Amino acid sequence: EDKVVQSPLSLVVHEGDTVTLNCSYEVTNFRSLLWYKQEKKAPTFLFMLTSSGIEKKSGRLSSILDKKELFSILNITATQTGDSAVYLCAVTGGFKTIFGAGTRLFVKA
Amino acid sequence: DGGITQSPKYLFRKEGQNVTLSCEQNLNHDAMYWYRQDPGQGLRLIYYSQIVNDFQKGDIAEGYSVSREKKESFPLTVTSAQKNPTAFYLCASSLYLDRALNQPQHFGDGTRLSIL
Repeated sequence: EDKVVQSPLSLVVHEGDTVTLNCSYEVTNFRSLLWYKQEKKAPTFLFMLTSSGIEKKSGRLSSILDKKELFSILNITATQTGDSAVYLCAVTGGFKTIFGAGTRLFVKA
Repeated sequence: DGGITQSPKYLFRKEGQNVTLSCEQNLNHDAMYWYRQDPGQGLRLIYYSQIVNDFQKGDIAEGYSVSREKKESFPLTVTSAQKNPTAFYLCASSLYLDRALNQPQHFGDGTRLSIL
């Protein structure tokens, strides 16, 4: 059965800290791995990863994929209170997209 | 601005009642999806549609129905057969549902459905 597992489930840090969110997967016919940020309503797209070892960066956020070990990490440096959200990892395989349960990040001022 | 509009934001259902959740997009996307989100769980796929007048069951289609009469619209009906409908429902769209192309999904703001 296809599955996507995220860890930790929740995380509390102080502003300025660096965090690493994990996503492991077992999905048939892997096509891509995506990260989304969900604050209160609609998840918003962050990154799409298709190749191993190529880091994607956007400001303080970065992500990398390891297709051999079947995992990805999302790094956030110098965290701010606005980074507080649920971070969703999703993997597309065939025609389906399978979502993980998410990591809830809370950044304290 | 292009986007996905879901309505209503909040919906209450009585026992034995069918309710319909609206989803409209003006992104000219071919593919549309309905997900259900429960606390502590990932998004689970209810139905998806690749093209007008075509739709496929997802992982948890029982108790739900959809239609795709127009490219822009993909309404979801929660029927009385769905015994545990309380959840947050998200509609999404993407440019193609094609195994050769990887497209991120764009999401609406969701509808929160509760039982009275």
